[in-house]
Amino acid sequence: NAGVTQTPKFRVLKTGQSMTLLCAQDMNHEYMYWYRQDPGMGLRLIHYSVGEGTTAKGEVPDGYNVSRLKKQNFLLGLESAAPSQTSVYFCASTSHWTGTGELFFGEGSRLTVL
Amino acid sequence: GENVEQHPSTLSVQEGDSAVIKCTYSDSASNYFPWYKQELGKGPQLIIDIRSNVGEKKDQRIAVTLNKTAKHFSLHITETQPEDSAVYFCAASMISSGTSYGKLTFGQGTILTVHP
Repeated sequence: NAGVTQTPKFRVLKTGQSMTLLCAQDMNHEYMYWYRQDPGMGLRLIHYSVGEGTTAKGEVPDGYNVSRLKKQNFLLGLESAAPSQTSVYFCASTSHWTGTGELFFGEGSRLTVL
Repeated sequence: GENVEQHPSTLSVQEGDSAVIKCTYSDSASNYFPWYKQELGKGPQLIIDIRSNVGEKKDQRIAVTLNKTAKHFSLHITETQPEDSAVYFCAASMISSGTSYGKLTFGQGTILTVHP
């Protein structure tokens, strides 16, 4: 009963390095999201996907790219990490809105960019 | 776009007291207002939600009220317990059948501490 799984849970990068965060869900949800959480700013939407092969920009997309090649996976990439991208990243998923609308979150990935 | 303001940022209460967290939103088209609880080291988890056609909703010790005219909604926790200690987030979204994709706008969060 895994739900939403994020890997890695912790990562330290140097400025300019690249990395990919992986989100996997086993609930057959159509919609997946990447949020970042910063102190005093709540959770802000980076990118989202409404289905396999689709992606769209959220509130703070600059510096990030995403891909949804398989329905169960949603990848968040940083091509050239910057200290401003130090944050905790959360992946979430949900089924169609005719349901409860509840977002199911992973446990987060803490990224530090030096 | 939508903007959600949440207050207070921190709230400290004694066990058994009530706790109230308030949020205001800017977009009158928003019609879905969930509350999420985040425990230390975990992802947020939905605890209660309300839609704009309802003024109040209760679930045991927690309740949410919505004032559409004033564009604000509140979370009420009664008989608080130490396990209620967590970060609480309000959120707002506009949903319509078949066209909305769960793009929630979150408030800044409230750190609730319940002292035994």
